[in-house]
Amino acid sequence: EIVLTQSPTTMAASPGEKVTLTCLASSSVNYIYWYQQKSSASPKFLIYYTSSLASGVPDRFSGSGSGTSYSLTISSMEAEDAAIYYCLQLTSTPPTFGAGTKLELK
Amino acid sequence: QVQLQQSGAELAKPGSSVKISCKASGYTFTSYCINWIKQTTGQGLEYIGYINTGSGGTNYNEKFKGKATLTVDKSSSTAFMQLSSLTPDDSAVYYCAMGDWFAYWGQGTLVTVSS
Repeated sequence: EIVLTQSPTTMAASPGEKVTLTCLASSSVNYIYWYQQKSSASPKFLIYYTSSLASGVPDRFSGSGSGTSYSLTISSMEAEDAAIYYCLQLTSTPPTFGAGTKLELK
Repeated sequence: QVQLQQSGAELAKPGSSVKISCKASGYTFTSYCINWIKQTTGQGLEYIGYINTGSGGTNYNEKFKGKATLTVDKSSSTAFMQLSSLTPDDSAVYYCAMGDWFAYWGQGTLVTVSS
């Protein structure tokens, strides 16, 4: 199965700071999907097809990448963005998730 | 609006089974599959499988074959997952998620396996 490696594991950002999270795949995938999970809530759908924002997602979020290297960028960190972010690949069976990046507010 | 309402927390004994439900509303139930995902602190998010809510067809992650059984009741727009022969390793939060992209998730069901 495809392994997704997310980095960093944990990071802290100040309000207004630009944040970039990385997701590396062990084999090439067609697209990556991103999810945000806060506290004990369920994951929230953020990005599909690598770079398309899900409905209602603020446009400070963006996604990019291809092949085995993908990233999620927050153009200007806000307090409400503190959460764990997961990437997901659906190219190969079974679908697999990255271990997550914990983003904290500095 | 789309909602997936899962059943409440379960405390089960080793060797027993539990059945979790996921009741959908706010969309045409049979138009989207329902996926099931396991979340633990140690293993993170693991994909269990999906059920085609129209045909009842299923597809399982090899790791969960024999452990999870997915069913659906179209009349009540509800998907079910039965977990059998429970061990402490099955203790986790289990989520249902709608559609090919997991666009909407249930609130999760905590399963605790303990004697």
